[in-house]
Amino acid sequence: QKEVEQNSGPLSVPEGAIASLNCTYSDRGSQSFFWYRQYSGKSPELIMSIYSNGDKEDGRFTAQLNKASQYVSLLIRDSQPSDSATYLCAVNIFYSGGGADGLTFGKGTHLIIQP
Amino acid sequence: DTAVSQTPKYLVTQMGNDKSIKCEQNLGHDTMYWYKQDSKKFLKIMFSYNNKELIINETVPNRFSPKSPDKAHLNLHINSLELGDSAVYFCASSHLAGAGPAKNIQYFGAGTRLSVL
Repeated sequence: QKEVEQNSGPLSVPEGAIASLNCTYSDRGSQSFFWYRQYSGKSPELIMSIYSNGDKEDGRFTAQLNKASQYVSLLIRDSQPSDSATYLCAVNIFYSGGGADGLTFGKGTHLIIQP
Repeated sequence: DTAVSQTPKYLVTQMGNDKSIKCEQNLGHDTMYWYKQDSKKFLKIMFSYNNKELIINETVPNRFSPKSPDKAHLNLHINSLELGDSAVYFCASSHLAGAGPAKNIQYFGAGTRLSVL
């Protein structure tokens, strides 16, 4: 059974600091990895996608993937109060027939940026 | 225009009723999904449809049935509603064909909050 684990938090970070969010997954066949942000009462919004080992940077966000350790992380630099939300780690696997599994989500990390 | 739209946004109903939630995407995607987010905010896949064929069917009760009249729509029908069905249901879509950089990035609708009384 595929599982995605995240620390539920809350993770409290001072404004302007770096927020570090971590995620581990159980299925070695996982091929695509995503970070979604979800504000209370809203739908998940894609922040980052990453498919190969290493770092991927987009603005203040950096995703890191280590497939050998089955570990994905998200760094948020210069954290802002508007970054306060729940961050969901998600992974998926493709079937050999060309179809795709839905995303398997972690339970999310609640991030609080303190002004 | 909203990329993935769901209706209704809120649905309050009595136990035992039958209800439907509609979803439409205008992104030209070939795969659509239904997710359920429970009271503990855990988001879990229920179904996905690719080119009008069901790809996966998680172990959800057969009271739930997805119906796709065309590639842009995936509706969710729920029969004999139970208290435990109360949750937020999200529709999503993605493009699977090919192996481009945006492979299987899923875009979510705003959600339908279902309350069963």
